[in-house]
Amino acid sequence: TQLLEQSPQFLSIQEGENLTVYCNSSSVFSSLQWYRQEPGEGPVLLVTVVTGGEVKKLKRLTFQFGDARKDSSLHITAAQPGDTGLYLCAGASAEYGNKLVFGAGTILRVKS
Amino acid sequence: DADVTQTPRNRITKTGKRIMLECSQTKGHDRMYWYRQDPGLGLQLIYYSFDVKDINKGEISDGYSVSRQAQAKFSLSLESAIPNQTALYFCATSASGRPAQYFGPGTRLTVL
Repeated sequence: TQLLEQSPQFLSIQEGENLTVYCNSSSVFSSLQWYRQEPGEGPVLLVTVVTGGEVKKLKRLTFQFGDARKDSSLHITAAQPGDTGLYLCAGASAEYGNKLVFGAGTILRVKS
Repeated sequence: DADVTQTPRNRITKTGKRIMLECSQTKGHDRMYWYRQDPGLGLQLIYYSFDVKDINKGEISDGYSVSRQAQAKFSLSLESAIPNQTALYFCATSASGRPAQYFGPGTRLTVL
């Protein structure tokens, strides 16, 4: 059982559509991060959220940390083929020695 | 130039062989990590080190060992490789007190 559950596992959409990826847990995290990984490369950090209820925007990407700091979402507006990749959420918690716990990831494919 | 480098990028070996994967970083971070990535499982922590004299086991350390030769170098060894160690291996670094991790490009290891 994953400590961080990501959904959906796979998403295939057309260019221009909107989408949301979810990351849920029963544990409380002091911070939560989102990474994007392309084939043949390592994950690249997109954002870190640390405050319950926090919303961060990065161009067409909007990240939200739940009020109770147990869940997060990533919303992409008007997806583009360049958004294709594996999106990973990761949480840090004193309960886990402040090491990162990763979700299994969401594979996003944006078709042109 | 990449901040976190890994060698080799690809390796095919046979069951029972000893393998070493190397990681170097120029970010000046104290903390270094080794992860394994399998499809559908996200990233699993093998070992981590918070400074040169510190080595800690992660979730899946059995069959692996590490050496922190210097602040900038952290190597992972498979003493006697087995086929179920076929996976992508990533090295990562972070600064003390900061949750964000920075990943290398990965090593694809195949054990026949």
